[in-house]
Amino acid sequence: GAGVSQSPSNKVTEKGKDVELRCDPISGHTALYWYRQSLGQGLEFLIYFQGNSAPDKSGLPSDRFSAERTGGSVSTLTIQRTQQEDSAVYLCASSTTVAKNIQYFGAGTRLSVL
Amino acid sequence: KNQVEQSPQSLIILEGKNCTLQCNYTVSPFSNLRWYKQDTGRGPVSLTIMTFSENTKSNGRYTATLDADTKQSSLHITASQLSDSASYICVVSGDTGRRALTFGSGTRLQVQP
Repeated sequence: GAGVSQSPSNKVTEKGKDVELRCDPISGHTALYWYRQSLGQGLEFLIYFQGNSAPDKSGLPSDRFSAERTGGSVSTLTIQRTQQEDSAVYLCASSTTVAKNIQYFGAGTRLSVL
Repeated sequence: KNQVEQSPQSLIILEGKNCTLQCNYTVSPFSNLRWYKQDTGRGPVSLTIMTFSENTKSNGRYTATLDADTKQSSLHITASQLSDSASYICVVSGDTGRRALTFGSGTRLQVQP
């Protein structure tokens, strides 16, 4: 596709359930980022993938959060045993190179944990 | 600690009027500053990006300024339109590293007819 695609656009889940969020970056973009945006807050960095390098997971808030990127393209963010404080919009972005760092964002997945 | 502060938090203006949004940062070292527009329910979209040597950049009715000495930036919107209603996010890059971006909380702009 022409842009970064995220699915689902909305996800409602019960506390304690696991959820998977998907990001399909722009074709050819080697860098992929996950961010979390809570209501009225700035974007919070979660995890970064660059090519075949080990991902930078330093932004993940707890070990309930994990992400993988298969084949250097599609990425999945998994949240296990969801908590109400996990409710937020999860944004994915991709870019061509780290040096330029011009990121193109998807529309996000709005997660609501009841 | 690297921080980006934006003001005002929210702003309401009438269609056709101009407005200016402010961004102050304490990110160091500094690489570049960009403004993003985020429509409700959408991801942020880049409006402008400025490096240390640039003090102004325009994108249509949007004009961004940068004063690297005082670490301040502004986004001026001319002849506002209803479609300008969105959140405007200031983002500062400290270096070319992978986690270098520091995001402001944004200014929520509402343009009324």
